[in-house]
Amino acid sequence: AQKVTQAQTEISVVEKEDVTLDCVYETRDTTYYLFWYKQPPSGELVFLIRRNSFDEQNEISGRYSWNFQKSTSSFNFTITASQVVDSAVYFCALSEPTSGTYKYIFGTGTRLKVLA
Amino acid sequence: DVKVTQSSRYLVKRTGEKVFLECVQDMDHENMFWYRQDPGLGLRLIYFSYDVKMKEKGDIPEGYSVSREKKERFSLILESASTNQTSMYLCASSFGGTNPSYNEQFFGPGTRLTVL
Repeated sequence: AQKVTQAQTEISVVEKEDVTLDCVYETRDTTYYLFWYKQPPSGELVFLIRRNSFDEQNEISGRYSWNFQKSTSSFNFTITASQVVDSAVYFCALSEPTSGTYKYIFGTGTRLKVLA
Repeated sequence: DVKVTQSSRYLVKRTGEKVFLECVQDMDHENMFWYRQDPGLGLRLIYFSYDVKMKEKGDIPEGYSVSREKKERFSLILESASTNQTSMYLCASSFGGTNPSYNEQFFGPGTRLTVL
């Protein structure tokens, strides 16, 4: 069955620390997509990144980086030199084109608190 | 700037009332979604629609119905609100195309519904 696990419910770090948010997924499909979203206190989820199952190249965007490893079914998200504005709930999600639906399977989210 | 708007940020209703939650997107997206977000459970899909007048049940459709009479508008209806429907409701939309599972979803700010 498809599943996304974000085992870290809440993480607190001090500003400028690096932090990694874990995401482990389960799927039987060979083609799938993984996503990360950020939900700031305002409530609106904001798209951060999408990864195709055939593309295991890691990605860096400014202070954000993503490590996709099919061998461990993980798609982890690292924030380098965290800032207070990074405080939010972060969701990992999975979609499968062969499922016949357009839905995402979301993890339960990780609340990140960055303290000044 | 892409936008998904929801009719209310906060709503308080009484048990047994009929409740309408409205969502409008201005991106000409084919797909629209309703989720509910509860602590520890992440986002769960209630219904989605891939075209005008078309709808599909998500994971938790019981107690809800939807309406999509126009492409830009997707309504969630609670026929007879109950206290266990107290939750944050999030609307999202996405482009259709040939591979809708690939496309990121754009979210509204959410409606926090309290049923007394």
